[in-house]
Amino acid sequence: DAEITQSPRHKITETGRQVTLACHQTWNHNNMFWYRQDLGHGLRLIHYSYGVQDTNKGEVSDGYSVSRSNTEDLPLTLESAASSQTSVYFCASSESIREGPNGYTFGSGTRLTVV
Amino acid sequence: GDSVTQMEGPVTLSEEAFLTINCTYTATGYPSLFWYVQYPGEGLQLLLKATKADDKGSNKGFEATYRKETTSFHLEKGSVQVSDSAVYFCALTKTVVQGAQKLVFGQGTRLTINP
Repeated sequence: DAEITQSPRHKITETGRQVTLACHQTWNHNNMFWYRQDLGHGLRLIHYSYGVQDTNKGEVSDGYSVSRSNTEDLPLTLESAASSQTSVYFCASSESIREGPNGYTFGSGTRLTVV
Repeated sequence: GDSVTQMEGPVTLSEEAFLTINCTYTATGYPSLFWYVQYPGEGLQLLLKATKADDKGSNKGFEATYRKETTSFHLEKGSVQVSDSAVYFCALTKTVVQGAQKLVFGQGTRLTINP
């Protein structure tokens, strides 16, 4: 069965370190997204990609970067982790047509703690 | 810009009570509307969707009707169960270039059902 997987599920890192969160999907979806979930803010879009070699900034992109070298993967990198980046991170993918039958497919999330 | 506003939580109900979670949106054009559910420790799952005005989405006893005149998409269930305890997110998709979609989420409403 097709799936979208995130790794690691939990990560503790120190302030200033570079951290990369992995997202891998086997749906063959063109669109991939990274969100962070914080109490009182719901989900906020960090970066997104509409295909290989395409990346775009979302509403809270400062301090984060992504790259899309193939269809399956969209890794999220925190260049220099800060305590404000402690959050739960969700990756999602979707079909390219406007009314995909299942909306988005989400990963199970990565809980990142920056100490 | 496009936005989604949900009723403040948390919401606590007794089993078999009637549930309404309010959701209103601001958007240009004609977005598709979604309700996602997040069970404890899991990622988001699509609960239901509606793609045009007056459409009713339904799943697992939940319903929501796309009301263009009031820009609303309220979630309802006639008789809730303990297993419905979760966080519920209202969302809309905005179509951007080349038919791709971007999801905009509300802040989420935490629902707790007591036996």
